[in-house]
Amino acid sequence: GQNIDQPTEMTATEGAIVQINCTYQTSGFNGLFWYQQHAGEAPTFLSYNVLDGLEEKGRFSSFLSRSKGYSYLLLKELQMKDSASYLCAVMDSNYQLIWGAGTKLIIKP
Amino acid sequence: GAVVSQHPSWVICKSGTSVKIECRSLDFQATTMFWYRQFPKQSLMLMATSNEGSKATYEQGVEKDKFLINHASLTLSTLTVTSAHPEDSSFYICSARVSEVSYGYTFGSGTRLTVV
Repeated sequence: GQNIDQPTEMTATEGAIVQINCTYQTSGFNGLFWYQQHAGEAPTFLSYNVLDGLEEKGRFSSFLSRSKGYSYLLLKELQMKDSASYLCAVMDSNYQLIWGAGTKLIIKP
Repeated sequence: GAVVSQHPSWVICKSGTSVKIECRSLDFQATTMFWYRQFPKQSLMLMATSNEGSKATYEQGVEKDKFLINHASLTLSTLTVTSAHPEDSSFYICSARVSEVSYGYTFGSGTRLTVV
């Protein structure tokens, strides 16, 4: 079956760095997405990785290792507004998105 | 960028009534629209995939007669929750795949449905 695993909840301090991991097992792979979702709102696109390596975009970076079925989202210089759920999603061979359950990130002052 | 407009943002209805949710792609043609449901503290659950001009494809366990999907044009898809019950109360989100894969999917703003 298809499976995406990510931690349920993480806590970090304002100004610090946090890494949210995601492991996946899917039928085919056409890329991995990270989305941010604030409570009561729709997800917003953060990043897309299809090749191995690190993609940096401002305070957010995303890493992919296809051989390990592994990705992480790295958030630097954390701000209170970064408190949200972070969803990992993999596009399978049918170009369907398979969603992880999301990681709730709590930022403390 | 690609925008999907979804409304209403929230709706309260009585048990047994029907509710229609609309999603419009504003600056692109959405040949495929995805409908998700999200319960509190849970991830997105795909309900169905609608393709313009054809019948929607429903995920296992989703009642097609209860959740009616219409995708009559390239810019409009609707989800109608028929004979709503309190257990249908949820956050419903539509999403369309943008033409370039690297942009992923663009989402509507979501509809909070409460059935009383």
